[in-house]
Amino acid sequence: EVQLVESGGGLVQPGRSLKLSCAASGFTFSNYYMAWVRQAPKKGLEWVATISTSGSRTYYPDSVKGRFTISRDNAKSSLYLQMNSLKSEDTATYYCARDGRDFDYWGQGVMVTVSS
Amino acid sequence: DIVLTQSPATLSVTPGESVSLSCRASQGISTSIHWYQQKSNESPRLLIKYASQSISGIPSRFSGSGSGTDFTLSINRVESEDFSVYYCQQSYSLPRTFGGGTKLELK
Repeated sequence: EVQLVESGGGLVQPGRSLKLSCAASGFTFSNYYMAWVRQAPKKGLEWVATISTSGSRTYYPDSVKGRFTISRDNAKSSLYLQMNSLKSEDTATYYCARDGRDFDYWGQGVMVTVSS
Repeated sequence: DIVLTQSPATLSVTPGESVSLSCRASQGISTSIHWYQQKSNESPRLLIKYASQSISGIPSRFSGSGSGTDFTLSINRVESEDFSVYYCQQSYSLPRTFGGGTKLELK
């Protein structure tokens, strides 16, 4: 059974940093692209980042480019999202997802609140 | 960026009705559209990929169609467990984008 379990969320002040983690199991992690997708409270879904199987290629929308960094450790079957210079508009639930261009498996999500 | 416009924003139906949800892309995207269901306080779930391809474990009452700019998610005879929000997503080009969602609610 595919499982994706996020951790690392919480309350953080504007301008500070936070790192999210996602532990994957039930599939060969190193064979799949992975992604982060977020959802602001009562809002829709927004793609945040994607990483290739080896980690050599990463992709971001303009809204987070230069502030967020996606990475992975295939030996640990883990995905990460380093978020710097956080803004109030980054407040959202962050989901880890398996990325086959469609997002076929999702974690339960982790809440990030950016507020002073 | 490719903009996906979903309509209607809210659809009120009674169980047993059949419904169609629309997703329109701002430019042609072939069949690179995927549909998700999100129940309240849950993670999204993939329903249909590449416009019409079924997903293992998804009830057969869900189907998709369309190509180019106009896409439809159909639910044949809505059941009570289907009341939730539905999103479309394109993978034709980066950035990946989602539609704003259609809320299917009980009339």
